Formats: sequence, structure tokens, C-alpha cells
Amino acid sequence: RKEVEQDPGPFNVPEGATVAFNCTYSNSASQSFFWYRQDCRKEPKLLMSVYSSGNEDGRFTAQLNRASQYISLLIRDSKLSDSATYLCVVNSGDYKLSFGAGTTVTVRA
Amino acid sequence: DTGVSQDPRHKITKRGQNVTFRCDPISEHNRLYWYRQTLGQGPEFLTYFQNEAQLEKSRLLSDRFSAERPKGSFSTLEIQRTEQGDSAMYLCASSSIWSEENYEQYFGPGTRLTVT
Repeated sequence: RKEVEQDPGPFNVPEGATVAFNCTYSNSASQSFFWYRQDCRKEPKLLMSVYSSGNEDGRFTAQLNRASQYISLLIRDSKLSDSATYLCVVNSGDYKLSFGAGTTVTVRA
Repeated sequence: DTGVSQDPRHKITKRGQNVTFRCDPISEHNRLYWYRQTLGQGPEFLTYFQNEAQLEKSRLLSDRFSAERPKGSFSTLEIQRTEQGDSAMYLCASSSIWSEENYEQYFGPGTRLTVT
């Protein structure tokens, strides 16, 4: 079983829509969780850290459910510029990050 | 630009050749990581350094791979006798153990390796 699993999508949504997707992780001892954004052929960029039950940053809301071992990301009022692959990332000990394969989001005009 | 830098950005090599990549982390960051990413997958951890000490290596890092960080600043990743399966994006990241968010890692632009 992979350490981090994500729905690959793609999620194809119109501008202004809300889109949400989850990831699950297998290591119950994981302590730190992140969402990274990756544009085509570019490096991953940190979008949000999720240190407690969840947090919000503008149009982005991340939630963590430790009991069920999943993390979610919700994007409100989608913009064309939100089109990207969103990587779910878990710290699995000793600062090593484990990445999901990514969820592709395409926002259309 | 004070972010993580990597050189070269692209490398095309023939099978069997050796290649070396360089990573310069964010200057105050004492942890440096190497990851590999293939198409359609997330990055996979290869190895990491705290200052000049290499503290962990993934089983993905075969004997043909070696990484160094001799002075605790920049790092090099060498692949000997390259194989077509080595074709991937090699990403470097850095972090600081002194920051509150010391698990947050910041990535460089990557070196895209193509082995022909």
C-alpha cells in the first residue's frame, strides 16, 4: 500500500466553482501534513501546511482528520490560475516527506 | 534570488555515462534533500543531509548514486553508468531546523535528466 494516496482526477471545473479533494495516508504516527502545488514541468511549491485540525488561507481550506487518516483541500471561487497538480504530502519521520501522486485540477473559463 | 538553485536544468546523456548535478540551498538552511520524480508520480525521497552529514539514504539510491555535501553548503548528486531508467526530474529541497515550521521544505527548479 502506498504511504499517501490521492484521487488523480482530473477535476475539470468552471471559473468560480468550488472544488474539493482528499488524500489518505497510511502511517498513523505521521505528524506534519502539507499541500504542495506543482505546475507542469515545474518544481513543487508549498501551498499550505496543515499542523492541527485544519486551516484556511484565502480561498484555500485544508482539513485533517487524524482518526480516519485523511486530509482534504477545498478551493473556493476557482481561478484559471488554480489549474495545477496538487500534491498531498506527509512527514513520515526524520523530516523525510512522502508525496502522493497528485490530483490534477483544470479550471476552465 | 535567494531560493534553492540547481544546475544544470537539463541534461541529456548517453547510457553508461556519468553525470553530476549541483544544488545550492537557501543560505541559512542546514538541511538539504534530494528527490526524484518521474512522469505522473510525486517526488520520491532519495537522501538528505544535515550540514555535511548524510543522515538517511533511500533504498532507491543504488550503488551507482552518490551524494555529497562537503562543506555543509552546496550538494552534488552523481550518477555513474547511467541507465535509461534513471531518466527523471531530480529535485533538491532545503529546510531549516531552527524555524518553527522546520518540516517545510522548499524546492529548487530541478534537473531534468534524459538518458538515451
